Amino acid sequence: DGGITQSPKYLFRKEGQNVTLSCEQNLNHDAMYWYRQDPGQGLRLIYYSQIVNDFQKGDIAEGYSVSREKKESFPLTVTSAQKNPTAFYLCASSISYGAYGYTFGSGTRLTVV
Amino acid sequence: GQQVMQIPQYQHVQEGEDFTTYCNSSTTLSNIQWYKQRPGGHPVFLIQLVKSGEVKKQKRLTFQFGEAKKNSSLHITATQTTDVGTYFCAGPPRETSGSRLTFGEGTQLTVNP
Repeated sequence: DGGITQSPKYLFRKEGQNVTLSCEQNLNHDAMYWYRQDPGQGLRLIYYSQIVNDFQKGDIAEGYSVSREKKESFPLTVTSAQKNPTAFYLCASSISYGAYGYTFGSGTRLTVV
Repeated sequence: GQQVMQIPQYQHVQEGEDFTTYCNSSTTLSNIQWYKQRPGGHPVFLIQLVKSGEVKKQKRLTFQFGEAKKNSSLHITATQTTDVGTYFCAGPPRETSGSRLTFGEGTQLTVNP
């Protein structure tokens, strides 16, 4: 079955360490996105990619970095510069940039202690 | 920048009662999308509305897109416990059709059996 796989589901890291969240899709979608969700709040866009080898900053990109070397993969690195990294991170994809409904992965819950 | 607001933030109903959530955008939208996120889960795409004044139904769910394409509503008739979750609206600004989605903060629905 086609879908988006995020791993790991839960992740614990010490403050000051960089951590990379994985996102892989086999839907042949061009566009991919990373969102952050804090408890009881909506989704805020971190980074997005319209096509392989291209990506743009979203609304809260500071302290994060991404790459898009393959169409299927869009990993997110949470760096030590991110002041409040504990959150639920959601990866999504769409057939084209914004025109169709997003398919979301099951998310990664990151806790930094 | 574009803002998407949803009301109410929380809604508690008895099973069998109706439920409505409203979505308002600060800018005209090219389309509006609705997502449902179950507790502990990830958002799942429900529907997309494109035309001014459009109304779509999915069983007990009725979705409307305003005439000015700046507001939308989701109405659930005779709620069931399976309707529990947070409902998000999202849309790209009209002038940049195909651009990234801005999500509302969601309406969290609880249904008492």
